[in-house]
Amino acid sequence: AQRVTQPEKLLSVFKGAPVELKCNYSYSGSPELFWYVQYSRQRLQLLLRHISRESIKGFTADLNKGETSFHLKKPFAQEEDSAMYYCALSTVTNAGKSTFGDGTTLTVKP
Amino acid sequence: DTGVSQDPRHKITKRGQNVTFRCDPISEHNRLYWYRQTLGQGPEFLTYFQNEAQLEKSRLLSDRFSAERPKGSFSTLEIQRTEQGDSAMYLCASSLENAVYNEQFFGPGTRLTVL
Repeated sequence: AQRVTQPEKLLSVFKGAPVELKCNYSYSGSPELFWYVQYSRQRLQLLLRHISRESIKGFTADLNKGETSFHLKKPFAQEEDSAMYYCALSTVTNAGKSTFGDGTTLTVKP
Repeated sequence: DTGVSQDPRHKITKRGQNVTFRCDPISEHNRLYWYRQTLGQGPEFLTYFQNEAQLEKSRLLSDRFSAERPKGSFSTLEIQRTEQGDSAMYLCASSLENAVYNEQFFGPGTRLTVL
């Protein structure tokens, strides 16, 4: 069975501070990991995916298979980063359907 | 707007009534997914279609729930004899089979309140 755990429901940092949103997963095969973001009054949208190893809006995430983690990081948080963040897992064999964590609400204070 | 659309955005109904939601995916996407999201939780998978075929249903989808995707275009999700526990946000997403990445594009959701 697949499972995604985001241990922090709420995370608050000051503008300019580093931020790390934690994500741990359980899956015995090769997972595809994603971070989705939902800004206030907007729909859920993809932020980044591990396979492309990209940086979006200053965010990066590295898949650590040994620790089964996919933490989201940004060195200098901005107020516009305040949003709900969801970590999600998909696999090659499940036709793309995703298992989501319960989300972390990030608040960046001025 | 060429994104995923859902209708209605909000639905209030009385317990025992039937409700139907509609999802229009991105036009070239052949996969369509339904998720349910309750307060404080992430989206939970309900079912998905590849073209017009419904290929998988979650155990969450009781026999009161039925989904269709005629002609492989829009999809409907019907809930019969609604219960208060059905109150949730119902999300639709679509994706392209054989895309390099399994990126799903989400609609704005339909918020159901069962009184």
